[in-house]
Amino acid sequence: DVVLTQTPPTLSATIGQSVSISCRSSQSLLHSNGNTYLHWLLQRPGQSPQLLIYLVSRLESGVPNRFSGSGSGTDFTLKISGVEAEDLGVYYCVQGTHAPYTFGAGTKLELK
Amino acid sequence: QVQLKESGPGLVQPSQTLSLTCTVSGFSLTSYNVHWVRQPPGKGLEWMGVIWSGGNTDYNSALKPRLSISRDTSKSQVFLTMNSLQTEDTGIYYCNRRMVYWGQGVMVTVSS
Repeated sequence: DVVLTQTPPTLSATIGQSVSISCRSSQSLLHSNGNTYLHWLLQRPGQSPQLLIYLVSRLESGVPNRFSGSGSGTDFTLKISGVEAEDLGVYYCVQGTHAPYTFGAGTKLELK
Repeated sequence: QVQLKESGPGLVQPSQTLSLTCTVSGFSLTSYNVHWVRQPPGKGLEWMGVIWSGGNTDYNSALKPRLSISRDTSKSQVFLTMNSLQTEDTGIYYCNRRMVYWGQGVMVTVSS
């Protein structure tokens, strides 16, 4: 199974600070159809997860454009350009290129 | 309006079988995939399995021997059945449509 390694496990930020989260895959996530099925989710405390970014860099409808995704192959990054209080929670990357799907262990974003 | 709602017993005894239902509305199960994801208390997300729009299934490798996902398209329901439950199966169980729309989750406790 594909292993997704997220770093850092915890991230402390001040409001307005820009931060990045890394997600590295144990194998390439480029599908034979040309798509890369790497997505990012946010789970706020006590809530169900929410999709932020799909297919590496596409912003889900309704998600603020301070969120952006980049990467290819095995290395991917989620960037938040100017953290806001509502961004606090745990971020997960998830891959759907290779069955079975797998999640990263999560990165907790907290206020400094 | 797309909605998913999980239901099932809150308490299951060790070695028994868990049966959960995900009732969906606002879309057809023959057009969209539905995933099951679980989360032990205080831990990260674990992908369990998916039933594809065509009716095929894929499962988490570790859970595959004791997990089954099925559906009743006429009732817009997806079913999760997992046998030989242990205390480590305690957690919140979510269903979701392609990681975009999520249910509120149902808490399952495995205890005697």
